[in-house]
Parts: sequence; structure tokens; C-alpha cells
Amino acid sequence: DAKTTQPPSMDCAEGRAANLPCNHSTISGNEYVYWYRQIHSQGPQYIIHGLKNNETNEMASLIITEDRKSSTLILPHATLRDTAVYYCIVRVAASGAGSYQLTFGKGTKLSVIP
Amino acid sequence: KAGVTQTPRYLIKTRGQQVTLSCSPISGHRSVSWYQQTPGQGLQFLFEYFSETQRNKGNFPGRFSGRQFSNSRSEMNVSTLELGDSALYLCASSPGQVVTTYEQYFGPGTRLTVT
Repeated sequence: DAKTTQPPSMDCAEGRAANLPCNHSTISGNEYVYWYRQIHSQGPQYIIHGLKNNETNEMASLIITEDRKSSTLILPHATLRDTAVYYCIVRVAASGAGSYQLTFGKGTKLSVIP
Repeated sequence: KAGVTQTPRYLIKTRGQQVTLSCSPISGHRSVSWYQQTPGQGLQFLFEYFSETQRNKGNFPGRFSGRQFSNSRSEMNVSTLELGDSALYLCASSPGQVVTTYEQYFGPGTRLTVT
């Protein structure tokens, strides 16, 4: 799976959009981008994933550049409860066989400021 | 639908002892994965079980083992505990044999402290 690079920390004002970048310059054509977050002392929580098109769900939006070498997770209206470590993971497309193993990097610690 | 449950939530053990942690996946989920999280190494994959069989294993010594029961509940065991085994142990539940997405559901974890 391709390596990802994320800034170690970011701040965001409450109510503003939080834009979390992820670089995955060695991503290959069959690899998806997944985002998880971990609120302090809890288990990680799945947020969203995508291949090449932008994706949106009730939690966030995922914007993937046309060359797929980077992506941005957008939390449209950050709240204090969004303070967490956000992990960007690149994973080969599931093929039916194999396992659910995920490789987590160090992630970005997002602090939402009142 | 109830989430992933892990017991106990906190545990204190002494070096050299062994410990067993338990995980109950989401109802209907048949795959259970275990991860270790430490401040120094971050989140690391331990192993995954499906249908009572280990399907994948991370790079951990043989002191770390696991098993899965017919009802999909899983246990992991660490023998001859070392100080470095102090960590948050997380269990993740996934639907089944055919992996179509890496959307996993994590439990709250068991915080193990080895003294």
C-alpha cells in the first residue's frame, strides 16, 4: 500500500471548515483513500473513502486531486467534538480474498478551538 | 445495533503474568481484527480472525496469540508480559469473508498496564 504524509497537527476555529490534507504521491490505480479518526481514548472511527471521484457523506467530504497524488478531508462545520487524530490510509481495492488489515500512520491531530 | 464491546476496559498486570482480553463483534459480523496502540509505535495490526481461523498476522512475537469462537467472539492472549506490552488493545469488527471495503468498526479498547 502506498505511503501517506499528513501534517502532525492543525487548528481550526469552531464553526469553520476544517481541511485536512494528505499526500499519497505513490498511489497506484487500484488503491483507495480511507479516512479514520480517533477521539481521545476511543477506538478509531471510519469517516469516508474514495477512489477518484469526490465523495460526501453525513460526516465529511473527500476531495481527491485529478492525479490522485493528494486528497483533502473536509469537515464543513467543525465542532469541539471533532477534536481528534485523523488518519489517512491508502489501501488496495478489496478483491474478495485477503483481510481487513489497516496500516495506520501518525495522522493529524486536529484541535477545534472555541 | 450494538457496537463492538471489549472487556475488561482496564487491566493492571505484573511482568511475567499472562492476560486474556475479550471482544464481541457487532451482531452478524464474522471477522475480528486486533490492534495494539502505544505512544511510540502508534496503531499496529496484531491479527485477524474469520470463521475461527487466523486469516492474517502482524509482526508480533509468539507471546501474542488469539482465537475466535463459533459465535464470532474473539479473545487475545499475551503470555509472559513485559513492560513494553502496556498499551491500548483495540478490537475491530467487519462483516465477512468477502472483503469489499475496509470500513471497520472499532471497540473502545482495553487499556493494559504492566508493572
